[in-house]
Amino acid sequence: TQLLEQSPQFLSIQEGENLTVYCNSSSVFSSLQWYRQEPGEGPVLLVTVVTGGEVKKLKRLTFQFGDARKDSSLHITAAQPGDTGLYLCAGAGETSGSRLTFGEGTQLTVNP
Amino acid sequence: DSGVTQTPKHLITATGQRVTLRCSPRSGDLSVYWYQQSLDQGLQFLIQYYNGEERAKGNILERFSAQQFPDLHSELNLSSLELGDSALYFCASRATSGGAGELFFGEGSRLTVL
Repeated sequence: TQLLEQSPQFLSIQEGENLTVYCNSSSVFSSLQWYRQEPGEGPVLLVTVVTGGEVKKLKRLTFQFGDARKDSSLHITAAQPGDTGLYLCAGAGETSGSRLTFGEGTQLTVNP
Repeated sequence: DSGVTQTPKHLITATGQRVTLRCSPRSGDLSVYWYQQSLDQGLQFLIQYYNGEERAKGNILERFSAQQFPDLHSELNLSSLELGDSALYFCASRATSGGAGELFFGEGSRLTVL
């Protein structure tokens, strides 16, 4: 079974601060996705990374896929209260076929 | 609006009972995934169907079963319910069976077992 470990599990910061969320595994993934989930809703895709070392930017969010395709990070610059939510990484394994494995999630709270 | 519809949104039932959760995927999507989200376990993959056939199976209990119908909607059946089955159950769909395509999630069905 492929496992994705996210850290930290909980993060509470002030508006304007920067933060990084990590997603690590001992398995290699063919692609990795980051989702954001708000209370009462399903997760919504933020980004997909497929190439080792790939960096993608989405406004104040920067996503990186590790060179070995085993880990990923999400960096938020100048966090805003609207960034509050549960951030989930999800990996498609090279051997797991169509299954998408999710990490436990990082609950981010940005205080005004 | 993701285009994925799940019913019911909330369900309260007793231990030992059986419930059916329903999912209508986005128009044109052939793959349907079911996930269970508990407070202490994150999103756990249960099962995937593609165009009516089971494609992948996760840690789905024997008390649980699912199917995808010719019109592509899917149902998740939970029987002999236990307190620990209380959770959010999400359905997600995408056009393809695998690869890096986006999963579109419904709003979930919140099951409470008393």
